[in-house]
Amino acid sequence: AQTVTQSQPEMSVQEAETVTLSCTYDTSESDYYLFWYKQPPSRQMILVIRQEAYKQQNATENRFSVNFQKAAKSFSLKISDSQLGDAAMYFCAYRSAVMRFGAGTRLTVKP
Amino acid sequence: DSGVTQTPKHLITATGQRVTLRCSPRSGDLSVYWYQQSLDQGLQFLIQYYNGEERAKGNILERFSAQQFPDLHSELNLSSLELGDSALYFCASSTENSGRRETQYFGPGTRLLVL
Repeated sequence: AQTVTQSQPEMSVQEAETVTLSCTYDTSESDYYLFWYKQPPSRQMILVIRQEAYKQQNATENRFSVNFQKAAKSFSLKISDSQLGDAAMYFCAYRSAVMRFGAGTRLTVKP
Repeated sequence: DSGVTQTPKHLITATGQRVTLRCSPRSGDLSVYWYQQSLDQGLQFLIQYYNGEERAKGNILERFSAQQFPDLHSELNLSSLELGDSALYFCASSTENSGRRETQYFGPGTRLLVL
């Protein structure tokens, strides 16, 4: 079964600085998708960014970008110019037939 | 706002009872997914429906069942409730056209508390 590992239960970043959240996954499949979702205190799950495994180019959405290393099965999220509103739980997810989530990383942004 | 709606937002009930959670997908989405988020288990996939048919099953208990209706809304039925069923239940939807696995968009969730 596919597993998703987020090794950092908590991370902290200073406002305006850059932070990288780590994610690794285990799979034998070649066709899959990877996602980062954000869950603020409201508990709403918000899509941050997605990466298709067949695309070599790393996805970017404004201040959010990923470092996708397919051979290493690594999918980290970089948040640039961190803002107070970025404080949330961040979940990495792998999707082939079904979606599997990591345990999450709680990001704190210090003013 | 993702466009996915869930009702009710909160539900408090007693052990042994049965509840129904409702989800309306985004306009045009044919697939509906149910997830359970509890403190000790994280986010767990329960079940997927595509255009009225069950498509995939995850860690769904036999006490739980779901269906998707012709208008594409879905209901998750939880019966013989136990304290451990207390969790946030999410519904998500996606288009899934031509077999392509599209992004899932999540509803706001239903918070279930079993006393």
